[in-house]
Amino acid sequence: DAKTTQPPSMDCAEGRAANLPCNHSTISGNEYVYWYRQIHSQGPQYIIHGLKNNETNEMASLIITEDRKSSTLILPHATLRDTAVYYCIVRENSGGGADGLTFGKGTHLIIQP
Amino acid sequence: DAGITQSPRHKVTETGTPVTLRCHQTENHRYMYWYRQDPGHGLRLIHYSYGVKDTDKGEVSDGYSVSRSKTEDFLLTLESATSSQTSVYFCAIATGPSTDTQYFGPGTRLTVL
Repeated sequence: DAKTTQPPSMDCAEGRAANLPCNHSTISGNEYVYWYRQIHSQGPQYIIHGLKNNETNEMASLIITEDRKSSTLILPHATLRDTAVYYCIVRENSGGGADGLTFGKGTHLIIQP
Repeated sequence: DAGITQSPRHKVTETGTPVTLRCHQTENHRYMYWYRQDPGHGLRLIHYSYGVKDTDKGEVSDGYSVSRSKTEDFLLTLESATSSQTSVYFCAIATGPSTDTQYFGPGTRLTVL
């Protein structure tokens, strides 16, 4: 799996858009970008994933650069409940396989009131 | 939340005693996983299952065994608990054709004295 680099921490004002960057310069053509988050003392929560195109769901948007070497997770209207550690993971979809996910250190996003 | 429950949620035990943690899912998903999370190490895969009675080892399987006699239950057993197994244990399931979109349970905090 390609290595990812994320800033260790970020602040964002409540109600504003939170933009979390992730660098994955060694990503290969068949590797997806996944985002998870972990709110303190809870299990990790799946947010979104994508391959090439930008993706949006009810939680967030994922913007992947054209060269696929970096991506940005966007929380459009951050709330205090979005304070969490956000993990960017790059991996090939294993389909019938069952490899565990590898979580790095992630970005600690703190939403300020 | 993908219908995942873990029991117990908290447990304190003594070194040398056997401990069994239970993960229960309500949606008949094929793949189930056990992870542990420790400060400085992130989440690490212990064991996983790809069907009833089909299990395999993960990254940190020493000292742990698992069983899956029913689709809905995945048990993690510490045959003789040690202090190094003090951790937070998360169960996860994978939905759909991709096993990379995993959904996690609430976790079990285990303390071995």
